[in-house]
Amino acid sequence: DQQVKQNSPSLSVQEGRISILNCDYTNSMFDYFLWYKKYPAEGPTFLISISSIKDKNEDGRFTVFLNKSAKHLSLHIVPSQPGDSAVYFCAASSQTGANNLFFGTGTRLTVIP
Amino acid sequence: NAGVTQTPKFQVLKTGQSMTLQCAQDMNHNSMYWYRQDPGMGLRLIYYSASEGTTDKGEVPNGYNVSRLNKREFSLRLESAAPSQTSVYFCASSGGPRYTDTQYFGPGTRLTVL
Repeated sequence: DQQVKQNSPSLSVQEGRISILNCDYTNSMFDYFLWYKKYPAEGPTFLISISSIKDKNEDGRFTVFLNKSAKHLSLHIVPSQPGDSAVYFCAASSQTGANNLFFGTGTRLTVIP
Repeated sequence: NAGVTQTPKFQVLKTGQSMTLQCAQDMNHNSMYWYRQDPGMGLRLIYYSASEGTTDKGEVPNGYNVSRLNKREFSLRLESAAPSQTSVYFCASSGGPRYTDTQYFGPGTRLTVL
């Protein structure tokens, strides 16, 4: 049973525009959320995180928004660049789950020059 | 500073063969993890080691064993490989076992079991 879902397998965006990647979760115990980026033949690399006590966290071009009531988070990339083309994974964890991360299935972002 | 390294990068096994996947980190991290990634699914935790000398089961531990050899190294063993274990295996490490400690991943091992 997938506790973290990314319903869009792929997304294409023009360079310079905004990319919005979405993620939903079902476990109300999750209180820490992360986004990882993955290039082919490499491992996932940490991008940005957010705690459930916040509803927004920003780091340069990357902003994560959390809507706890809807059990939904999103990653905004502004402006999008061709180097952002990768697979993006949403992940979640809870205080009761040690450091067991639950990952979504990923969204492949393609930024078109 | 290599971060997290994994060997081998690729491996093909026949059903019933055994093998050990190696993982090492040079970040002086306390905690280490093994995940598998299957097509159409997210990464799933197989086993983790919160600190040297301890190991615990994750979400999908069946068919695997692990050894935390020392603080740097964490190996994953398949005693009798099955086609269902065809997957990409990722090792990760974090400074500590807190659920907010960032995990850093290795490049992965692509395993095919025929």
